[in-house]
Amino acid sequence: GENVEQHPSTLSVQEGDSAVIKCTYSDSASNYFPWYKQELGKRPQLIIDIRSNVGEKKDQRIAVTLNKTAKHFSLHITETQPEDSAVYFCAASSGGNTPLVFGKGTRLSVIA
Amino acid sequence: DAGITQSPRHKVTETGTPVTLRCHQTENHRYMYWYRQDPGHGLRLIHYSYGVKDTDKGEVSDGYSVSRSKTEDFLLTLESATSSQTSVYFCAISESGITGELFFGEGSRLTVL
Repeated sequence: GENVEQHPSTLSVQEGDSAVIKCTYSDSASNYFPWYKQELGKRPQLIIDIRSNVGEKKDQRIAVTLNKTAKHFSLHITETQPEDSAVYFCAASSGGNTPLVFGKGTRLSVIA
Repeated sequence: DAGITQSPRHKVTETGTPVTLRCHQTENHRYMYWYRQDPGHGLRLIHYSYGVKDTDKGEVSDGYSVSRSKTEDFLLTLESATSSQTSVYFCAISESGITGELFFGEGSRLTVL
């Protein structure tokens, strides 16, 4: 089955700097890669996703890149703000009835 | 927020007792999921449902069972709770299946003593 590795497990950045979180996956059939954000004590929420026919997707200060050959995808957050502090989860799925497999999460701290 | 509620939100129980967590949705979404969240393990899928009475196992299904007799309700049962099942349980729903956005409930914190 699919295995998703996520790095780093914790990340601290200064406000205004960029943050990058990387994930690798094992199943070459995977074609859907979402990112979820979970603020302290809250539920996870989708922030951006990418499908295998696209190499990069942006939404304001966040972007996701996908390298299918290397089987890795990354979340990029630019101009970080304190409200970006949260746990971020990547996930992968090969579609059909195959459920999402999540990475173990990255705790991002943005220091003002 | 999507109309999804979990009950109870907090529960403390003893080893060996049965526990049922309820997930209720008002969105009429076809797909429903139960995840558990533990420090260092992220979100792990327990069971999921793709329709009334249609369920399947996830990666950590041992010790858990589920039932879905109505579109709006998905029940997670621990037949005989163990301390290793102490966790935060999240229900999630999706309209468009595996590759659609998951909407999570607020979570149920279960402590097994």
